[in-house]
Amino acid sequence: DAEITQSPRHKITETGRQVTLACHQTWNHNNMFWYRQDLGHGLRLIHYSYGVQDTNKGEVSDGYSVSRSNTEDLPLTLESAASSQTSVYFCASSIGRSGAQYFGPGTRLLVL
Amino acid sequence: GQQLNQSPQSMFIQEGEDVSMNCTSSSIFNTWLWYKQDPGEGPVLLIALYKAGELTSNGRLTAQFGITRKDSFLNISASIPSDVGIYFCAGQDSGGSNYKLTFGKGTLLTVNP
Repeated sequence: DAEITQSPRHKITETGRQVTLACHQTWNHNNMFWYRQDLGHGLRLIHYSYGVQDTNKGEVSDGYSVSRSNTEDLPLTLESAASSQTSVYFCASSIGRSGAQYFGPGTRLLVL
Repeated sequence: GQQLNQSPQSMFIQEGEDVSMNCTSSSIFNTWLWYKQDPGEGPVLLIALYKAGELTSNGRLTAQFGITRKDSFLNISASIPSDVGIYFCAGQDSGGSNYKLTFGKGTLLTVNP
């Protein structure tokens, strides 16, 4: 069955380290998104991509980067992890203009 | 930017009761979506609405796309313990090539058996 997966599911890292979170979908969706979820803030968009080689900044993009070299993957990189980036990260994908996004299971990141 | 006001923030009900929650927006959306999130999991799509006035059901869930295109509601009938979770509304302004969603902050539903 087609799906969207994230890895790792849990990660502990230290301040200043580079961290990459993986997102992989097998639906052949053009659109992929990264969100962070924090208590009191709901889901906030970090970066998104509408196709291969396309990347765009969301509302909370500082300190994060993405790259889209194929349809299936949109890895999220924290260039130099900060304690403020402790959060739960969700990847999502959608096809065309339908609007409906399908979410992965999330990665819980703790930055010490 | 666009904002969604979702209410109530939380609800505590008895098993068997009906539940209603809603979202209002300061701007027009072309698509309304409702998601449910269980603890430790990602949001799961419940219902998608694509036309003003549309009323759609999914089992015990019913959602409507408001006529003004600035609001939507979700009803759950005869609640059961597994309905517990956080419910999110989301709207999409699909004008042009914008496929982003704006999310409400969620309604936390607790069902007392």
